[in-house]
Amino acid sequence: DQQVKQNSPSLSVQEGRISILNCDYTNSMFDYFLWYKKYPAEGPTFLISISSIKDKNEDGRFTVFLNKSAKHLSLHIVPSQPGDSAVYFCAAPRDTGKLIFGQGTTLQVKP
Amino acid sequence: EAEVAQSPRYKITEKSQAVAFWCDPISGHATLYWYRQILGQGPELLVQFQDESVVDDSQLPKDRFSAERLKGVDSTLKIQPAELGDSAMYLCASSPGTGESDTQYFGPGTRLTVL
Repeated sequence: DQQVKQNSPSLSVQEGRISILNCDYTNSMFDYFLWYKKYPAEGPTFLISISSIKDKNEDGRFTVFLNKSAKHLSLHIVPSQPGDSAVYFCAAPRDTGKLIFGQGTTLQVKP
Repeated sequence: EAEVAQSPRYKITEKSQAVAFWCDPISGHATLYWYRQILGQGPELLVQFQDESVVDDSQLPKDRFSAERLKGVDSTLKIQPAELGDSAMYLCASSPGTGESDTQYFGPGTRLTVL
């Protein structure tokens, strides 16, 4: 049972344009969400989070939007830079703290 | 900046051999997690410790995997015997606690290849 889903395995955008990465979840008990970025041969790095009491959280070039009724969240990166090329995971914590991850989306930003 | 340390970074072994991975969490972090990431998938929890106690090991294949955190600081994950399907990235993470705002910080991982 895949409770957190990222249906797009890959995304390619031009430098300077917007990158939009999507994530869907099925468990209505999830009330907090995180995005992690992962470079090859490195561990995931925390990027940004959002609580279910908000519908938007912004940190510099990164904004996460949450649509609870649709059980959908998205990560916007504006403007995209070549250094943003990585695998992006959305995740939700269970009550014990363990993270449930999506499958990941590989973002390629072309110069 | 404090980091989670893991060793080795890479391990190649033959099936039926024993392997062990080590993790040193960020100082003061009570919660330690071992995740396994198979290529093309997201990380999945194998075992979670709160101090020296196991909180969740429901997804740990206990016939071949074992994990310990004897003094509530560093941790070791062992596989014996290794199987071909164990080839994956093994990630260790730590956090101050288990609350929503307790961000999990990941180490660089150990890439295991079983031949």
